[in-house]
Amino acid sequence: DTEVTQTPKHLVMGMTNKKSLKCEQHMGHRAMYWYKQKAKKPPELMFVYSYEKLSINESVPSRFSPECPNSSLLNLHLHALQPEDSALYLCASSQGGGHGNYGYTFGSGTRLTVV
Amino acid sequence: AQTVTQSQPEMSVQEAETVTLSCTYDTSESDYYLFWYKQPPSRQMILVIRQEAYKQQNATENRFSVNFQKAAKSFSLKISDSQLGDAAMYFCAYRRRAGGTSYGKLTFGQGTILTVHP
Repeated sequence: DTEVTQTPKHLVMGMTNKKSLKCEQHMGHRAMYWYKQKAKKPPELMFVYSYEKLSINESVPSRFSPECPNSSLLNLHLHALQPEDSALYLCASSQGGGHGNYGYTFGSGTRLTVV
Repeated sequence: AQTVTQSQPEMSVQEAETVTLSCTYDTSESDYYLFWYKQPPSRQMILVIRQEAYKQQNATENRFSVNFQKAAKSFSLKISDSQLGDAAMYFCAYRRRAGGTSYGKLTFGQGTILTVHP
């Protein structure tokens, strides 16, 4: 299995809703990432989990709450989002530690629309 | 801080021809990794090719090759025999070698939209 699977593929939510995005990989990767991407722009890093611990939080608003229940699973909990949070949310994984040369494996993303 | 610059917002190429996408970067590190990613309309970011900074030899993957000039901090992507399926947005990306808390971060350029004409 060489994939990162993200669900759902599309999500429409109201500003008062609570929803979660899910990301799963079974490649034995020990680092997992959440990125936010606006149309025709590069992905922007939100969070990095390394060996199931939060390693990097790029000053993301608290309405986004990440969770890493185990080494294969990464969630992003959403609450009280704003319309400007509408974007493509990409999950990625990589081998942990010093194995940076292998790059990341990305999922196909969740297209989020906040109404 | 590291920065990655792609100066070509859009490029086009005829099918079967060759096209080169430009990328420059700025870093004070001596050991790092560089990548080209492709993102077609299907949205998935696909790794095209990678280069380790300590390796002088340019990376090659089938029709894709890079011209890595470390002193000039330049990392261009050449696509030979372009195919319709190569149409996508291409991102150049930088990652420092492991160490500290920022080892996991990929820094992306702004991207180049490649159109392939039949």
